[in-house]
Amino acid sequence: AQSVTQLGSHVSVSEGALVLLRCNYSSSVPPYLFWYVQYPNQGLQLLLKYTSAATLVKGINGFEAEFKKSETSFHLTKPSAHMSDAAEYFCAVSARDLDMRFGAGTRLTVKP
Amino acid sequence: DGGITQSPKYLFRKEGQNVTLSCEQNLNHDAMYWYRQDPGQGLRLIYYSQIVNDFQKGDIAEGYSVSREKKESFPLTVTSAQKNPTAFYLCASSIAGGRPYEQYFGPGTRLTVT
Repeated sequence: AQSVTQLGSHVSVSEGALVLLRCNYSSSVPPYLFWYVQYPNQGLQLLLKYTSAATLVKGINGFEAEFKKSETSFHLTKPSAHMSDAAEYFCAVSARDLDMRFGAGTRLTVKP
Repeated sequence: DGGITQSPKYLFRKEGQNVTLSCEQNLNHDAMYWYRQDPGQGLRLIYYSQIVNDFQKGDIAEGYSVSREKKESFPLTVTSAQKNPTAFYLCASSIAGGRPYEQYFGPGTRLTVT
């Protein structure tokens, strides 16, 4: 079985501050990991993915995530938050074809 | 541009009525999925299909039905047997075969049943 846990349903940061969204996974086999972003009343857009190559993955909009096997984590970071980053973020894990499991999501608020 | 379309964006129905949500993709993907999204619960898989004329139940298939007559289309019917159908429904597609692939999502349909 595979699953992800996103720590913190809501995160609030000031504009220009570091963004850190936490994701821990559970998988019995080497996982593929994904971060998606969702703006209100829209679908999900892929930010980045880990597919067993480099452990530090860079994505769109200045986001990156680091795969840490020893900690079973795949936290999402961005050095400097922008107002346009306010959205809901989902971590997802997939250990086999056609089977992707999503976390409950973290809503990011950016204060001016 | 390739992508996934869902229609309509908003849908209102009376309790007891069946309703069909449309999902079309032009990405030439073999696999298609339907998810239900409720606040604070992430995405839950309703049905998925790997090839035409074949589909599998997900975690919450009760009260839903699907068909896959064409590679491009994967409509979802919410039946009157679904006890709490009001939700945001997302369709997705992906390459299938060999390893996990990222899924591409449509814009969603918000269904309200009263």
